Amino acid sequence: DGGITQSPKYLFRKEGQNVTLSCEQNLNHDAMYWYRQDPGQGLRLIYYSQIVNDFQKGDIAEGYSVSREKKESFPLTVTSAQKNPTAFYLCASKEWEQPQHFGDGTRLSIL
Amino acid sequence: GNSVTQMEGPVTLSEEAFLTINCTYTATGYPSLFWYVQYPGEGLQLLLKATKADDKGSNKGFEATYRKETTSFHLEKGSVQVSDSAVYFCALSPYNFNKFYFGSGTKLNVKP
Repeated sequence: DGGITQSPKYLFRKEGQNVTLSCEQNLNHDAMYWYRQDPGQGLRLIYYSQIVNDFQKGDIAEGYSVSREKKESFPLTVTSAQKNPTAFYLCASKEWEQPQHFGDGTRLSIL
Repeated sequence: GNSVTQMEGPVTLSEEAFLTINCTYTATGYPSLFWYVQYPGEGLQLLLKATKADDKGSNKGFEATYRKETTSFHLEKGSVQVSDSAVYFCALSPYNFNKFYFGSGTKLNVKP
């Protein structure tokens, strides 16, 4: 079945550490997105990529980095510069003029 | 600019009650509008969409009509079930579909 796989489902980070969240899709979608969701709040866009080897900052890119070396993969690194990284992270992908499809998310917590 | 405003939750209803979740938007141009649903611990699933004024999106008994004159896209269901308990997000995407803008979500609790 085609879909978006985010791993791991739960992730823990120590203070000062970088951590990378995985997002893989086998839908052959060109565009991919990373969102952050805080409790009781909506989604905020971190980064998005419309094509391989290209990506743009979203509304809250500070403290995060991404890469898009392959069409099917869009990993997100939460760096130590992100002061409040505890959140639920959602990856999405889409084809031109179609709605976004979402993964099941990764919950990141600080130890 | 682009933004979406949803009614605050939680909304608590008894089974078989009528549901309305209000959504209004601000957008440049003519956006497409969407409702997504999120069950606990999961990602968002597309519930329905409408791509132009007066379009009605529908799915699983849920409906929403794209009202350009009132810039609204209210979600309705005639008879809710316990299994409908979830968080519902209204969203818009400008004409080029490159970015999506989400509301803050409305939590629905349906009691037996």
